[in-house]
Amino acid sequence: DAKTTQPPSMDCAEGRAANLPCNHSTISGNEYVYWYRQIHSQGPQYIIHGLKNNETNEMASLIITEDRKSSTLILPHATLRDTAVYYCIVRVQHTQRQDSNYQLIWGAGTKLIIKP
Amino acid sequence: DTAVSQTPKYLVTQMGNDKSIKCEQNLGHDTMYWYKQDSKKFLKIMFSYNNKELIINETVPNRFSPKSPDKAHLNLHINSLELGDSAVYFCASSQEDPVAGGSYNEQFFGPGTRLTVL
Repeated sequence: DAKTTQPPSMDCAEGRAANLPCNHSTISGNEYVYWYRQIHSQGPQYIIHGLKNNETNEMASLIITEDRKSSTLILPHATLRDTAVYYCIVRVQHTQRQDSNYQLIWGAGTKLIIKP
Repeated sequence: DTAVSQTPKYLVTQMGNDKSIKCEQNLGHDTMYWYKQDSKKFLKIMFSYNNKELIINETVPNRFSPKSPDKAHLNLHINSLELGDSAVYFCASSQEDPVAGGSYNEQFFGPGTRLTVL
């Protein structure tokens, strides 16, 4: 089962900031939070990841609460092309090269619809 | 240039047939993956290969056999196809963090192969 909980869908007006929440209350200390998105009929696309500190890149910002039990992905100026399903994923930190217990568990994600 | 490519994009076949899906990445990554996305859109990892060696093999029927002839290719062969195998299959690749204890790097996904078993 996925270790994250996200709202099934959200709307956002074009040009506004889209804030996508994610709960990961059972996250362990060495587990990272990753965000991917999947535009219709395409493969998933990496957005951003973080462990404890807030992160920002050219696509988005990731805000992680101090207790690390939740996070928010922020798309600062949403465009119509940002309409997609956004996945919040908890990934186990790599500790050895051949970690047979590693796996990436994807939830249902949030369907974000950007409206003109 | 396409970073991760898959062929074919669509595959329609009859139950009981054997089929293969090919995947190639030109990113120089040493880890490749196969995922299955079902009708409910859940993505589940099936296999992961690092430098041509299997490192993850989730609970997948042994009718599914991945083959990695070299680091840039990870093909998926499926025997005796069943109706429940209908799904979109994604190939992905990543460059493992060479430093133990680091985070996994981003995975790059192919465009997917939509398999329909009739």
